Amino acid sequence: EAGVAQSPRYKIIEKRQSVAFWCNPISGHATLYWYQQILGQGPKLLIQFQNNGVVDDSQLPKDRFSAERLKGVDSTLKIQPAKLEDSAVYLCASSPQGRSYYGYTFGSGTRLTVV
Amino acid sequence: GESVGLHLPTLSVQEGDNSIINCAYSNSASDYFIWYKQESGKGPQFIIDIRSNMDKRQGQRVTVLLNKTVKHLSLQIAATQPGDSAVYFCAENLDGYALNFGKGTSLLVTP
Repeated sequence: EAGVAQSPRYKIIEKRQSVAFWCNPISGHATLYWYQQILGQGPKLLIQFQNNGVVDDSQLPKDRFSAERLKGVDSTLKIQPAKLEDSAVYLCASSPQGRSYYGYTFGSGTRLTVV
Repeated sequence: GESVGLHLPTLSVQEGDNSIINCAYSNSASDYFIWYKQESGKGPQFIIDIRSNMDKRQGQRVTVLLNKTVKHLSLQIAATQPGDSAVYFCAENLDGYALNFGKGTSLLVTP
């Protein structure tokens, strides 16, 4: 079974620029999550999708972050404009159903550096 | 606010010894807990989970213990190997959906 695919693996941008990350979940997984992991900390949930609908985006800084999951499969996370504090690893995860009892699988993440 | 945390940020053990990584949680409503291993440059990898109606669960070389009375979770790794060197996170399940992660413990296995 293929895992959760993310791209790019690394990205360096200047502050105030925009950036987009892409995630392809495991086939058939209805739920998709984006997490932000700052160096030395645990992942923090940004947004959760169930199929193509948003379940929870309470922790997403909506003035600069946006995410979509068209057709309930792939997802993109965008930051515009980026700030220095956005430097982190952005992890995508998916699960077959809404409850994590049924298993989360994480991608390898995109490491963003804002300079 | 309520959160999941870890007692020790780093742990150094000798190869072959047993490792114990601890975690405290404060949300008494949490009903599911997971331990993850994260190696450098990779996403978190599932190790073992436990539901709140259990006290202990064993896997291959790993055991998770849950003490609901003091809201404490531990991960025991038997015969620790160099490949076990990584950052370990505990996470609690809130509302059956997203996970709340602690800050992590870095495990270093020395020869």
